[in-house]
Amino acid sequence: GAVVSQHPSRVICKSGTSVKIECRSLDFQATTMFWYRQFPKQSLMLMATSNEGSKATYEQGVEKDKFLINHASLTLSTLTVTSAHPEDSSFYICSARDPLLETQYFGPGTRLLVL
Amino acid sequence: DQQVKQNSPSLSVQEGRISILNCDYTNSMFDYFLWYKKYPAEGPTFLISISSIKDKNEDGRFTVFLNKSAKHLSLHIVPSQPGDSAVYFCAASENSGYALNFGKGTSLLVTP
Repeated sequence: GAVVSQHPSRVICKSGTSVKIECRSLDFQATTMFWYRQFPKQSLMLMATSNEGSKATYEQGVEKDKFLINHASLTLSTLTVTSAHPEDSSFYICSARDPLLETQYFGPGTRLLVL
Repeated sequence: DQQVKQNSPSLSVQEGRISILNCDYTNSMFDYFLWYKKYPAEGPTFLISISSIKDKNEDGRFTVFLNKSAKHLSLHIVPSQPGDSAVYFCAASENSGYALNFGKGTSLLVTP
């Protein structure tokens, strides 16, 4: 299957700092990428849709100024958690949509722990 | 409000037998359905999908059935293997694989 990479896989930071997570589609061009968050024993919740060359679309309840998304190329989207707080600690997963197969392929996820 | 529901949080099946994972949805606009397998601390892995124009799709040991009138789909794994033990998420989309709505997952345990 298609490969989507995510970096870093794990990050621990102090409260108030910003953290950037990268998501790359390695073998197809993704005009659309997605960012999800998963809390323990919960489902994956869509945070935002990232469109190459345009502004991201955020789901209701997700602060766009806190979760900055940039999709500068067809293979890279970044999520920056600004001024992170302990309640932002979660598992963040990106996905990239293969337009030919109409299927989303997920990255391995990033575990964020804010102290 | 949860639009995709997986009402069984867990399922235990003996190796070699059939595993049936169920999923119900409420949004009649969903036209594309996917199943993902997930291990702890990893991203979901795509397994199989089905478009609303079909009622069955098969790929090796995995078959997905869609009953649109009942707004129900199921994933059949046969024969089940211990390596299939994982959490399985059902997901649905209104527009062919764009924003996905996930169920809460079913944890499958296949015992030798």
